[in-house]
Amino acid sequence: DQQVKQNSPSLSVQEGRISILNCDYTNSMFDYFLWYKKYPAEGPTFLISISSIKDKNEDGRFTVFLNKSAKHLSLHIVPSQPGDSAVYFCAASARLQGAQKLVFGQGTRLTINP
Amino acid sequence: EPEVTQTPSHQVTQMGQEVILRCVPISNHLYFYWYRQILGQKVEFLVSFYNNEISEKSEIFDDQFSVERPDGSNFTLKIRSTKLEDSAMYFCASSEGNSYGYTFGSGTRLTVV
Repeated sequence: DQQVKQNSPSLSVQEGRISILNCDYTNSMFDYFLWYKKYPAEGPTFLISISSIKDKNEDGRFTVFLNKSAKHLSLHIVPSQPGDSAVYFCAASARLQGAQKLVFGQGTRLTINP
Repeated sequence: EPEVTQTPSHQVTQMGQEVILRCVPISNHLYFYWYRQILGQKVEFLVSFYNNEISEKSEIFDDQFSVERPDGSNFTLKIRSTKLEDSAMYFCASSEGNSYGYTFGSGTRLTVV
């Protein structure tokens, strides 16, 4: 049951360039989407979120785009820095339905090369 | 910055034994959660807890699992009779409200032998 999919297990980007991480979902009841970053031996760290009533949310170097018709969201990091190297998880929730749980994707390992 | 604290960081237990994983959520948070990640797999939801009761649980969270907030600061996950397939990283999380991003703890690695 892969309701949230991150099809790229890994991504390598040059420092200073843009990193684009992608996520697809199948459940049309999802109305709230989040991105988390995870370093080894640590828990996921919340990065940025977006509600289904928006198509873009920006926070510093991080921007999340939501395309509801395509059931697709992406995280843009610009400029990419070496400290951004981590595993990035996309997650979704059906908050308006009263759901509190997050459904996670498999994660994409981002490596920023100097 | 406020943190969610989990203890122990690593727990090894024999199959069939009971295990209790402990968490101290952020003090002004109202919603509490347990997730797990089996090695190489996705992070999976187990249970959410609000107003001193379970508000949502997954199919994984069967009768062998229970949660408790015994004293207003700790939030525990108990597995009554551990199985080999319970081996995973268990993450506790808390959030201020239902529409906020969670804060996760660093996790407890449970190894069932």
